Amino acid sequence: SAVISQKPSRDICQRGTSLTIQCQVDSQVTMMFWYRQQPGQSLTLIATANQGSEATYESGFVIDKFPISRPNLTFSTLTVSNMSPEDSSIYLCSFDRAGETQYFGPGTRLLVL
Amino acid sequence: GQNIDQPTEMTATEGAIVQINCTYQTSGFNGLFWYQQHAGEAPTFLSYNVLDGLEEKGRFSSFLSRSKGYSYLLLKELQMKDSASYLCAVRDPNGGYNKLIFGAGTRLAVHP
Repeated sequence: SAVISQKPSRDICQRGTSLTIQCQVDSQVTMMFWYRQQPGQSLTLIATANQGSEATYESGFVIDKFPISRPNLTFSTLTVSNMSPEDSSIYLCSFDRAGETQYFGPGTRLLVL
Repeated sequence: GQNIDQPTEMTATEGAIVQINCTYQTSGFNGLFWYQQHAGEAPTFLSYNVLDGLEEKGRFSSFLSRSKGYSYLLLKELQMKDSASYLCAVRDPNGGYNKLIFGAGTRLAVHP
C-alpha cells in the first residue's frame, strides 16, 4: 500500500502567523486533496490539487487563506495564512489511487492561540 | 444540495453485531466509502461499493442500494478495539474530478 506522510505532525501557533503543511507521497499521483477536520466533526474538503494547475477550492475556502502548491506528482503543501483560533483543527492530505481507495496522511494537528 | 446522513452515536456489546446506516443525496455518484477513525488518528479505509449489493471483508460488510441512496456497514463479532468513529463518504465526480463528501460520522462505543 502507498505511504503518505505529513509534516509537521502538530504545531502550536500564534494568531496572525502562517503555517505551511507538507504532504509527501511515495509514488506519483495525479490528484491530491486537502481536508480539514475541526474538533469533534467530520472531514471537510478544502481543495483539490492537480500537478501543474491551480488548486480547485470548495465553497467557503479561498486561495488567499489557504494557498496550495503542487510542484510535482509526489508532493503538495497547504498554507494556513493569518491564523486565528478558529483555524485550530486537524489538516489532512489524501490522494486517490486507481479510482478506488483514497488514502489519508496522518494529519497535522494545529492549535492557534 | 449535498447531504449525507448517519446516526451520531451507537453503542453495542462485545461479540455482537452492529449495523451503521448511511443515506445520501448528492449531485453525482461514483462510489461510496466507509472509513474507520480512532480518536486522534487519520481515517483508514474499510470498504468501497460502487455497484448495488453486499461486499464482505472479514468481520466487516458493506451494502449499497443506489436507487434508495442507502448504504450500511455491518460489523460482526464486535471487539473493544472497534470503538471508533465510522465515516460514510460519497465520491462525487461532478466538476471533472472525483472528490469525497463525508457524513458527520457515527461514534461507536463497544462495551463488555
